[in-house]
Amino acid sequence: DARVTQTPRHKVTEMGQEVTMRCQPILGHNTVFWYRQTMMQGLELLAYFRNRAPLDDSGMPKDRFSAEMPDATLATLKIQPSEPRDSAVYFCASGDPINNEQFFGPGTRLTVL
Amino acid sequence: KQEVTQIPAALSVPEGENLVLNCSFTDSAIYNLQWFRQDPGKGLTSLLLIQSSQREQTSGRLNASLDKSSGRSTLYIAASQPGDSATYLCAVRESGTYKYIFGTGTRLKVLA
Repeated sequence: DARVTQTPRHKVTEMGQEVTMRCQPILGHNTVFWYRQTMMQGLELLAYFRNRAPLDDSGMPKDRFSAEMPDATLATLKIQPSEPRDSAVYFCASGDPINNEQFFGPGTRLTVL
Repeated sequence: KQEVTQIPAALSVPEGENLVLNCSFTDSAIYNLQWFRQDPGKGLTSLLLIQSSQREQTSGRLNASLDKSSGRSTLYIAASQPGDSATYLCAVRESGTYKYIFGTGTRLKVLA
């Protein structure tokens, strides 16, 4: 049963702390997306990778957010330092190489106090 | 800049009704369009993907159509059931990019 996995599922942290979220895309998928979802803004694209290369990170606050893909089975999103306004659900999705149909992970619910 | 709109924002119908959800986009230069459902507190589940060269796609009780020239897609749900209650989102992939732009969703409630 191929699916995108994300860890942790929930994270509560204090302002100023570093947060790292991890994503394992579906094996064979070569596009990975990071999204953030809030009630106010809906679903926003933060960054995405194609064949592990970052193609667009214009949706990310560059001073505190960073996204990497150290290998084909792992994508990471890091926030340092975290702020209360970063509280949201962060989704990872991977796209199949033929149609780029997206498949989403279950999300990481982040709360920054 | 591509904008994706979904109307209505919320919809409540009795069980058994056939219903149509709408998705509009401002730039017709799209590569494909994908429909998702999202249950409360969950991730997005892919329902249907329509390529720009296609007019419609079907999966079970779901049928999605695409009219690129008018910038519209509709998701048709036949014989709605309480289990169909969820938020439905559409997303367009612009030509020349792998990015998807999402609509704000339609929150559907099917009453038993």
